[in-house]
Amino acid sequence: AQSVAQPEDQVNVAEGNPLTVKCTYSVSGNPYLFWYVQYPNRGLQFLLKYITGDNLVKGSYGFEAEFNKSQTSFHLKKPSALVSDSALYFCAVRDLPGGSYIPTFGRGTSLIVHP
Amino acid sequence: EAQVTQNPRYLITVTGKKLTVTCSQNMNHEYMSWYRQDPGLGLRQIYYSMNVEVTDKGDVPEGYKVSRKEKRNFPLILESPSPNQTSLYFCASSTGPNSPLHFGNGTRLTVT
Repeated sequence: AQSVAQPEDQVNVAEGNPLTVKCTYSVSGNPYLFWYVQYPNRGLQFLLKYITGDNLVKGSYGFEAEFNKSQTSFHLKKPSALVSDSALYFCAVRDLPGGSYIPTFGRGTSLIVHP
Repeated sequence: EAQVTQNPRYLITVTGKKLTVTCSQNMNHEYMSWYRQDPGLGLRQIYYSMNVEVTDKGDVPEGYKVSRKEKRNFPLILESPSPNQTSLYFCASSTGPNSPLHFGNGTRLTVT
């Protein structure tokens, strides 16, 4: 079985400060992990993914995520937040190999960046 | 421009009146899926399709139907909508289940 948790409904950060949006997962095999962002009145947009390789994954708009197998986490990070980063962020997981074709999404974390 | 197009963007209907939400993608993707987004519940998959004429249930398929007669189109059908199907719906496509999803801009459905 696969599951994902985003423990924070909302994250507040000041512009220019580093940000972290947390995600933890549970799988039977190996995880295939994604981050997506949703701006108001828009569909989700892909940010980055991890399947294997370097634990630090770089994605779009200056975001990166760190895969930590021992802590079963895949936290999203950015060194310096922008007001325009304010959006809803979703973590998603698939269990590999041979897991469900259905990715499981977290409940989402609302990121608010204050000027 | 590569995109997933959903129509309509907004729909208000009454209980029991059949409706269809259309979805079309121009990226020649084999994999397409439908999600509903509800506050506090995130995204839940309704149905998915691995290719033409191949569809399967997701996590919340009750009350919904889909068809995949052409590669580019994947309509979502509500034969008899009920108020608990009031939600924000997204269509998505990708080259396969391991690939990033491309989402449409959503359809906000209200069933009264």
